[in-house]
Amino acid sequence: QSVLTQPPSVSGAPGQRVTISCTGSSSNIGAGYDVHWYQQLPGTAPKLLIYGNSNRPSGVPGRFSGSKSGTSASLAITGLQAEDEADYYCQSYDTSLSGYVIFGGGTKLTVL
Amino acid sequence: EVQLVESGGGLVQPGGSLRLSCAASGFIFSDHYMDWVRQAPGKGLEWVGRIRNKANSYTTEYVASVKGRFTISRDDLKSSLYLQMNSLKTEDTAVYYCGRDRGINYGYEWGQGTLVTVSS
Repeated sequence: QSVLTQPPSVSGAPGQRVTISCTGSSSNIGAGYDVHWYQQLPGTAPKLLIYGNSNRPSGVPGRFSGSKSGTSASLAITGLQAEDEADYYCQSYDTSLSGYVIFGGGTKLTVL
Repeated sequence: EVQLVESGGGLVQPGGSLRLSCAASGFIFSDHYMDWVRQAPGKGLEWVGRIRNKANSYTTEYVASVKGRFTISRDDLKSSLYLQMNSLKTEDTAVYYCGRDRGINYGYEWGQGTLVTVSS
C-alpha cells in the first residue's frame, strides 16, 4: 500500500480534461514537500512530467499542469490525446519513514 | 543530454547475488545524489535507496525491505552508480531504474531500467 494515494484509473475522450489526484498526509505533502509527476508509457521508463508541484520540464506540452494544496496534489491534462494513454505517478518525500522518497500507487489513464 | 544506462540484470536463484551498474553522462555526476527505484511486474514504483555526493560523505539510505541485503556505491571518476544485491528473494524481481536526483524541488530523471528475475 502506497503512502501517497492515487485513483487506480481514470478515463476520458479525446479533447476532454481529466485530473488525477494524489493524497498524502501531514508528514509528506502537508509538511511542505514538493510533489513531482511522472508519465510512464507502456514498456518504457518513467519520464518527469511536472516538477516542483506545477513546473513543466522543457518539451512537456502545456496541456499538462500540476497543483498542490494542503496534503494533496493534482495533475490535470487538457485536450486529451491518444498518446497520453499511460500510467501516471506522483512522488514526494516523507521523513517519518525509512523510505524517504515516496510514490503514489499510479493511475492508469485510458483515452476512450 | 542526460543519459543513464543500467546494466547487469538477469536471472538469479533465490539467495543469490547480482550487481547492477548505471553509467551516467550529460551532467556532472559527482555533484548529484543518485537513487535506485524498482518496479515489480505489473506494479508501481518503489524507492530502493540513495547515495549522497562527496560533500555529504557518500552516505546512503535504504528502504526497510532491502536494508542489510543491498548496498549502493558510486565511482565519481567513472560517473557510475552501482547496486550490489545479496540474499535475493523472489519478491526482489523487478525492473531496476537508476535516477539522477535533480534536487528536492526538481524531481528525478530515470534510466531505461534493467530487469532482475529471482527464480529457481
